[in-house]
Amino acid sequence: DIQMTQSPSTLSASAGDRVTITCRASQSINNWLAWYQQKPGKVPKLLIYKAFSLESGVPSRFSGSASGTEFTLTISSLQPDDVATYYCQQYNTYPWTFGPGTKVEIK
Amino acid sequence: EVQLLESGGDLVQPGGSLRLSCAASGFAFGGYDMNWVRQAPGKGLDYVATIDFSGATIYYADSVKGRFTISRDNSMNTLYLQMNSLRAEDTAVYYCATRNACANGVCYGLQQWGQGTLVTVSS
Repeated sequence: DIQMTQSPSTLSASAGDRVTITCRASQSINNWLAWYQQKPGKVPKLLIYKAFSLESGVPSRFSGSASGTEFTLTISSLQPDDVATYYCQQYNTYPWTFGPGTKVEIK
Repeated sequence: EVQLLESGGDLVQPGGSLRLSCAASGFAFGGYDMNWVRQAPGKGLDYVATIDFSGATIYYADSVKGRFTISRDNSMNTLYLQMNSLRAEDTAVYYCATRNACANGVCYGLQQWGQGTLVTVSS
């Protein structure tokens, strides 16, 4: 199975800061990578698909990029509403696999 | 509006069985692949299984293979997960989820999620 890792596991930043989360796949996933946001007590929400495509309705401060097997999710200006846990997921190969998550907090 | 409504979660003893259901509405259920994803209390997301639109192709996570069975009834717009030989580590909220069909060679992540149903495995 393809293993997904994320760093950091927790991130604390000030409102307005630029925030970057990294996800690494254990082998090539051909950019078939999604990012999800899960707020406390809520259902996961798709933010990014195909590594860098923004899902409809998602604010443009969210963006994704890729370099080989390393992927990043960037929030250009952190907002209080962005407090959540963020997960990456590969859907290149079954069984699909998720990263362990990155918890984003506001200082 | 797409709606996915899971049901069937309960407290069950180790070694027991449970069947989860996911009732779908607001979209052409019979044309979409469907998935189960779970989340243990306070933990991350964990892929469980996928069934294609026709029911002909199925995938499982290694952790549930041989114990869980995913199925669907397109006439009833319902997805199922039969869970046997349950273990404490299967305790989780179970979500059904789907995505739009791939278009122009681009496939999406999981776009629609139900609210989940809680399965607790404990004696």
